[in-house]
Amino acid sequence: DSGVTQTPKHLITATGQRVTLRCSPRSGDLSVYWYQQSLDQGLQFLIQYYNGEERAKGNILERFSAQQFPDLHSELNLSSLELGDSALYFCASSVRGLSYNEQFFGPGTRLTVL
Amino acid sequence: GESVGLHLPTLSVQEGDNSIINCAYSNSASDYFIWYKQESGKGPQFIIDIRSNMDKRQGQRVTVLLNKTVKHLSLQIAATQPGDSAVYFCAENMEDSSYKLIFGSGTRLLVRP
Repeated sequence: DSGVTQTPKHLITATGQRVTLRCSPRSGDLSVYWYQQSLDQGLQFLIQYYNGEERAKGNILERFSAQQFPDLHSELNLSSLELGDSALYFCASSVRGLSYNEQFFGPGTRLTVL
Repeated sequence: GESVGLHLPTLSVQEGDNSIINCAYSNSASDYFIWYKQESGKGPQFIIDIRSNMDKRQGQRVTVLLNKTVKHLSLQIAATQPGDSAVYFCAENMEDSSYKLIFGSGTRLLVRP
């Protein structure tokens, strides 16, 4: 158990809908990363937050957004969902995210868009 | 958390043999490299890391080798066990503002009993 929790574990929804994925980092970790693992693209970095502030963006669509709250949990919001958004979404946390810190991954949320 | 459906290269080894998993990374500016193991239904799990100022690092039953000249990374697993069956990813990390990980495409390791 990495200490990172993600909810829900599975999510099934329809095209055009909006969902929110939640991540609680390990106790004491200030940095949260979101990754998408799809069947044809492997693990792709989406976005990083550090202590409530957005720090870096990767291949994140404009339909997706995220935030990190004062208690350091993070939410990833996916809107206007398309079939191609079906994937595993992982959250990872690290102590600081300002240097080389091991990133600990949560168990993921499997999103299925029908 | 499995990468099923991805056309992953597969390495099949006999239990007790040594395994070598290779990875070519993309960016010569990368400073830090990590190997992750992903078992079915789980998120990636850290195995071992290495910084760019090293060419070899050993852990428990695992060794990572880094060849910066050809941008190649390998993971050696000694005395491979059934519990080692998983998908293995290399990841590179650049000293930019985020320290995000850039993952390779992965290799599936199957251990035959």
